[in-house]
Amino acid sequence: DAGITQSPRHKVTETGTPVTLRCHQTENHRYMYWYRQDPGHGLRLIHYSYGVKDTDKGEVSDGYSVSRSKTEDFLLTLESATSSQTSVYFCAIFSGGNYGYTFGSGTRLTVV
Amino acid sequence: GENVEQHPSTLSVQEGDSAVIKCTYSDSASNYFPWYKQELGKGPQLIIDIRSNVGEKKDQRIAVTLNKTAKHFSLHITETQPEDSAVYFCAASIQGAQKLVFGQGTRLTINP
Repeated sequence: DAGITQSPRHKVTETGTPVTLRCHQTENHRYMYWYRQDPGHGLRLIHYSYGVKDTDKGEVSDGYSVSRSKTEDFLLTLESATSSQTSVYFCAIFSGGNYGYTFGSGTRLTVV
Repeated sequence: GENVEQHPSTLSVQEGDSAVIKCTYSDSASNYFPWYKQELGKGPQLIIDIRSNVGEKKDQRIAVTLNKTAKHFSLHITETQPEDSAVYFCAASIQGAQKLVFGQGTRLTINP
């Protein structure tokens, strides 16, 4: 998706290890989001940011932390990965106007 | 907080027929209702949205209707084509609050 990149695209990790997912945008948008997608639950908000060093919790924030030290990067960290955190993670930016929210291509995380 | 319910979870229609997906929301303050289409292996993409000051919006073969009194909105796809097969998500937010709450998703299959 134009202007927003997630890395890695796929990751397998062991239970108890820390994991960091990265979201990078090239368009200098203020708002950035992390969602997780699970069957039957749609997309649920984990954390979001409304500026450098300004973040807030979403509805499923337990076990996750975020950081935003630069406008273009929003990091999601799983402090100690658990099997319940196996999911597809999407980053999004709010583009405003007629474009609304733009999503990245996702990171598929498997915790074994 | 806002809660969005989406039905049905799966929908199968014959090519050329119409498809309707319905969502209800709980927060009467919500005033922005986008619809997203997610193709396999990709992030959700905005296909149409509606704001609470209008009751219906059309864009070629897709339309969205909103009933504020009943707190529900629907996506209508006419003359369905194989490329319409995807997962569709509805969402709701309070414009300005910059936080989307998503429905659970509908997997639409178009049968040739």
